This record gives sequence, structure tokens and C-alpha cells, in this order.
Amino acid sequence: AQSVTQPDIHITVSEGASLELRCNYSYGATPYLFWYVQSPGQGLQLLLKYFSGDTLVQGIKGFEAEFKRSQSSFNLRKPSVHWSDAAEYFCAVGDSNYQLIWGAGTKLIIKP
Amino acid sequence: EAGVVQSPRYKIIEKKQPVAFWCNPISGHNTLYWYLQNLGQGPELLIRYENEEAVDDSQLPKDRFSAERLKGVDSTLKIQPAELGDSAVYLCASSLSMMQGEQYFGPGTRLTVT
Repeated sequence: AQSVTQPDIHITVSEGASLELRCNYSYGATPYLFWYVQSPGQGLQLLLKYFSGDTLVQGIKGFEAEFKRSQSSFNLRKPSVHWSDAAEYFCAVGDSNYQLIWGAGTKLIIKP
Repeated sequence: EAGVVQSPRYKIIEKKQPVAFWCNPISGHNTLYWYLQNLGQGPELLIRYENEEAVDDSQLPKDRFSAERLKGVDSTLKIQPAELGDSAVYLCASSLSMMQGEQYFGPGTRLTVT
């Protein structure tokens, strides 16, 4: 069965430091991959998506993600985090039924 | 462009009472989704509509949950009767079509059942 794993429940990063959030998926075919962000009391907002082509995907708010088929990973990165990046981040994979299978999320905490 | 609108934002009810949530998707979006999100977890799909047709409701607890999307635009999700375990955030999302993977989410309705 398809699944998405986000191994880190919480991550704490100092403001200005770089960030990498991990996402591993289990899916037989070429996946559609997404990263969403959810700020407290807000809905989920799409950061970026991978459908095909260049494996390095640029998103909004300075985020990028790299699809690595050999590692079944789609890790999210940002070179320098801002306090406003504190939120929960969700990785999701689209299955053959066009449904999204979601990870459990990673809560990002920013230290001043 | 207006986003996905949901109301109410918060609802507190006693167990065994009915409750309804309303969603207005982005104009022109044919596909509408209802999700349930528990604290510290990702969203779980309850039902998906393609226009007014429910194309996937396998995860909807049909003994107490019902949904409708009349005229293929707005949608209502109802719980009757509510149970303590229904306390969660109910999210509505929409997309241009089922095959267009990018979903746009509303702010959600936080339900507390006491």
C-alpha cells in the first residue's frame, strides 16, 4: 500500500539557519509529490509540487525540494529560515486514483 | 480570486447533537474534498465530489455522516449524532479537476464535542 513517512515530528532551527525536512514515500509508479504548509489556525497551502521533469523543484517562500527516485525521497529545503516559517509541514503523494496520501507532518520551531 | 470558504470556523456541541459544516469552493473548481484532521496528523479523506457526484466516499462513516453537493458548487457535511471522537478539524478543499493534483484548502472548521 502507498504510504508517506515524515520521520521528524518536530524540528528546531535557529533563525537564519538552513532547513531540510525529510519525506519518504512508498509508491509503485512515478509519484506526484507535494509539500504543503499549515500555519496555526490556517488551511493548508501548497508550497511546491513535482509531477515530472526536473527533479529539483522550486516553490513559494524560497522553498525547494528534490525528488530522488533511488531513495524514494522528496525532501524540502530552505537555505535560510525566517521566524514566519514556523508552521507544520506536510508531504503528500498522489496515487493512481488521484487521491493524496499524507504524511503525519513535521512541526518546525524557529529559535530566535 | 477568493479562496475556499468554510463556515463556521469553530463549533462546540454536546454529544448526540447534530452539526453541519458548509463549504464554498473556488469558482470553476469541479472537484471538492472533505477531509478530517486530528491533532498532529495529516488530513484523512472523507469524501470526494466530481461536480455533484460523490466519486469516492469509502472513508465516510455513513451511519452518522452525510454530505451533499447540490448543483455541483457548495457542499454541506453533516454529522448526526455527533460523538466525542468526532472532535477534529474538518477541512474542505477544491481543485480544477480530479486529475489536477493541486488542491486548495479552506481554513477548516474546528469541532469540539463535549
